[in-house]
Amino acid sequence: ETGVTQTPRHLVMGMTNKKSLKCEQHLGHNAMYWYKQSAKKPLELMFVYNFKEQTENNSVPSRFSPECPNSSHLFLHLHTLQPEDSALYLCASSLDSTPDEQFFGPGTRLTVL
Amino acid sequence: SQQGEEDPQALSIQEGENATMNCSYKTSINNLQWYRQNSGRGLVHLILIRSNEREKHSGRLRVTLDTSKKSSSLLITASRAADTASYFCATDGYGGSQGNLIFGKGTKLSVKP
Repeated sequence: ETGVTQTPRHLVMGMTNKKSLKCEQHLGHNAMYWYKQSAKKPLELMFVYNFKEQTENNSVPSRFSPECPNSSHLFLHLHTLQPEDSALYLCASSLDSTPDEQFFGPGTRLTVL
Repeated sequence: SQQGEEDPQALSIQEGENATMNCSYKTSINNLQWYRQNSGRGLVHLILIRSNEREKHSGRLRVTLDTSKKSSSLLITASRAADTASYFCATDGYGGSQGNLIFGKGTKLSVKP
């Protein structure tokens, strides 16, 4: 257990559905991240939040909408996704936004039909 | 663009043997990290080596860093079947945004009993 939890662990959705991924960290960290991991591609950083403020949006399509209500919770709202969005979505946290150790959740395996 | 690149892409060894994985990167860095990922799970931080360090040990892990060659290696000694996983290096890069780690595609290690 890394202290970072993600729900759901698996999600299958149609292209017209709206769903949300949830991440929670119990480590007292101030920075949280969303990553996308597709087969045979490097881990892609999507969003960075530091003290609840978004500090990075790595050119992510608007069909992905992050929300960070407090330093412990991070959401990724999904709507009108495409099949190529199928991937493992990983949440991570770190003490602050300096590039030291990050703690990852187990991920949500998303399949878009 | 991709910063770290691991080599080899896949490595298969017998239990008890040593496993060596390499990482090359492109820009100057503050630190380099190694992470491990079991199939379909989140990443687990293994070790961080700073740019002014040349070698670091943690249990059966030994990491070296050569900033003149922009490369690092991860050695796992006396490997076990439980070491079977993918291993990733991650760098920050002076050119990157603060807190953002850039991951390579990883080395898939298989340790046969």
